[in-house]
Amino acid sequence: AQKITQTQPGMFVQEKEAVTLDCTYDTSDPSYGLFWYKQPSSGEMIFLIYQGSYDQQNATEGRYSLNFQKARKSANLVISASQLGDSAMYFCAMSLRNYGGSQGNLIFGKGTKLSVKP
Amino acid sequence: NAGVTQTPKFRILKIGQSMTLQCTQDMNHNYMYWYRQDPGMGLKLIYYSVGAGITDKGEVPNGYNVSRSTTEDFPLRLELAAPSQTSVYFCASSSMASGGAIDTQYFGPGTRLTVL
Repeated sequence: AQKITQTQPGMFVQEKEAVTLDCTYDTSDPSYGLFWYKQPSSGEMIFLIYQGSYDQQNATEGRYSLNFQKARKSANLVISASQLGDSAMYFCAMSLRNYGGSQGNLIFGKGTKLSVKP
Repeated sequence: NAGVTQTPKFRILKIGQSMTLQCTQDMNHNYMYWYRQDPGMGLKLIYYSVGAGITDKGEVPNGYNVSRSTTEDFPLRLELAAPSQTSVYFCASSSMASGGAIDTQYFGPGTRLTVL
């Protein structure tokens, strides 16, 4: 069965430092996508970064990078130079391709609450 | 560009009441989804649609119904509200993937529903 595991319920990081949020996944499907979403206290889901299973290079988007280790089935999010506004819940999610079509349902982990200290 | 909009933002229902959560997207996306998020948890898929007139169940469909008469709209109906349906409901949409590529889902702001 497909599954996303985030083992860190909460994390603290000092402002301006880098932080890594862990995510492991389980699937036997060779074609999948991995996503990270940010959920601030206001509740909306904000897309951060995407990594496809066939992508050769790790994805980067500004201060966000995804450390993709396919053999270990991990897709950790790295936030560089943390800012106070980065304090939020962070969700790792996986999307599978449905053979014969693409439906792209997301499977979410339970999330990691990141707190940035001034 | 409004993206994905949801109404209402908040709602309190009594047990046994019915309501419809509205979702509209203006990005011409074929794929639309309804998720629920229980406290301290990630999102779980309720229903999804791959195009107008086509819907299917997700992981937690019991107690809900959907319809998709247009590309833009994907309402979620609760027929007999129960306390277990107290949750935050998110609608999302994505474009049709080509060549097996998996497209990003964009979320609405959510509807916070309480059933008492």
